[in-house]
Amino acid sequence: GENVEQHPSTLSVQEGDSAVIKCTYSDSASNYFPWYKQELGKRPQLIIDIRSNVGEKKDQRIAVTLNKTAKHFSLHITETQPEDSAVYFCAASIPNGQNFVFGPGTRLSVLP
Amino acid sequence: EAGVTQSPTHLIKTRGQQATLRCSPISGHTSVYWYQQALGLGLQFLLWYDEGEERNRGNFPPRFSGRQFPNYSSELNVNALELEDSALYLCASSLDWDSYGYTFGSGTRLTVV
Repeated sequence: GENVEQHPSTLSVQEGDSAVIKCTYSDSASNYFPWYKQELGKRPQLIIDIRSNVGEKKDQRIAVTLNKTAKHFSLHITETQPEDSAVYFCAASIPNGQNFVFGPGTRLSVLP
Repeated sequence: EAGVTQSPTHLIKTRGQQATLRCSPISGHTSVYWYQQALGLGLQFLLWYDEGEERNRGNFPPRFSGRQFPNYSSELNVNALELEDSALYLCASSLDWDSYGYTFGSGTRLTVV
């Protein structure tokens, strides 16, 4: 079945710097890859997503890249701010099951 | 538009008891998904309901079960509770899961003592 790995597990950056989180997946049938942000004590919220027919997608300070051949995708956050501090989860779709396999999460801390 | 709502917010049960968790999806969403988020771990898929039927389940024992009602709300039942069932249980709904992803509820924190 699908397996999603995510690195790093923790990441600390200075405010204003960039942060990159990387995920790999195993099932070539996966075709949709959302990213969720979960602040402490809150629900996971979708922040950006990408489909397998697209190589890159950008939304203001957040971008996601996908390399379908290598089966990896990455989240890029530029000009980080303290409010970006949260746990970020990547996910890969399981087409027949209509569910996702989530990565274990990355705890991002943006230091002022 | 109301989001995905879950109740109760917190639930404390004794080992061996049963727990019932409830979820109401966003209006117009017919699919409900349940996930378990144990402390420090990622999200593990539990169950998917659509149009009143269980469509798929994750790698969890049969004592995890549920149902979906005609109004698309859903219940998750956990029987014979074990200490390791302590976790945040998240419900999600979606209009089109692989186009828009999930919208999660705030979760029910289940503590088994």
